[in-house]
Amino acid sequence: GAVVSQHPSRVICKSGTSVKIECRSLDFQATTMFWYRQFPKQSLMLMATSNEGSKATYEQGVEKDKFLINHASLTLSTLTVTSAHPEDSSFYICSASIQETQYFGPGTRLLVL
Amino acid sequence: GQQVMQIPQYQHVQEGEDFTTYCNSSTTLSNIQWYKQRPGGHPVFLIQLVKSGEVKKQKRLTFQFGEAKKNSSLHITATQTTDVGTYFCAGPRGSGGGADGLTFGKGTHLIIQP
Repeated sequence: GAVVSQHPSRVICKSGTSVKIECRSLDFQATTMFWYRQFPKQSLMLMATSNEGSKATYEQGVEKDKFLINHASLTLSTLTVTSAHPEDSSFYICSASIQETQYFGPGTRLLVL
Repeated sequence: GQQVMQIPQYQHVQEGEDFTTYCNSSTTLSNIQWYKQRPGGHPVFLIQLVKSGEVKKQKRLTFQFGEAKKNSSLHITATQTTDVGTYFCAGPRGSGGGADGLTFGKGTHLIIQP
């Protein structure tokens, strides 16, 4: 099946710093990738749709200036959490779709102190 | 907007008992997908149902898609400790085709007592 990787798997940072998370499709090209966020014991919530070569589409309530998304190539999308605060601590998961099936990366656990 | 509701939120069963989780969408879905997330892990795709009234089986797991394509269920027969985790249903946002992401239900946490 399709493989999606994420890096880093876990990151701890100080409040006010920025953190970059990478999402890669390893064996296929993805013109569209998705970024989700999952708080403990809760479901996945779509944050934004990352489109190769164009601007990302953000869901209502998600600040585009805080969560910067860059889809530089057909195999790489990055999410940068700028000026992170403790309330940004969460599990961030990317996915890419092939024929309506979404393949998820292993996720990145972000802890902001 | 589209809502996907899932019940129950938690289910405790004894090992060997059956388990069912139910999913309801506020809108008709082009397809419905089921995922399993183990504690500390990420969601793993289980199956996709497309046709009205469709039933699919994977060993002890039986998936159903309602006739109106708005509800679905996952039934596990004779649960085992390896079934522990959270089961999510998800429907495509927009018209489907994989271009708009998924709306997830809140998930059902399956807890199995040996």
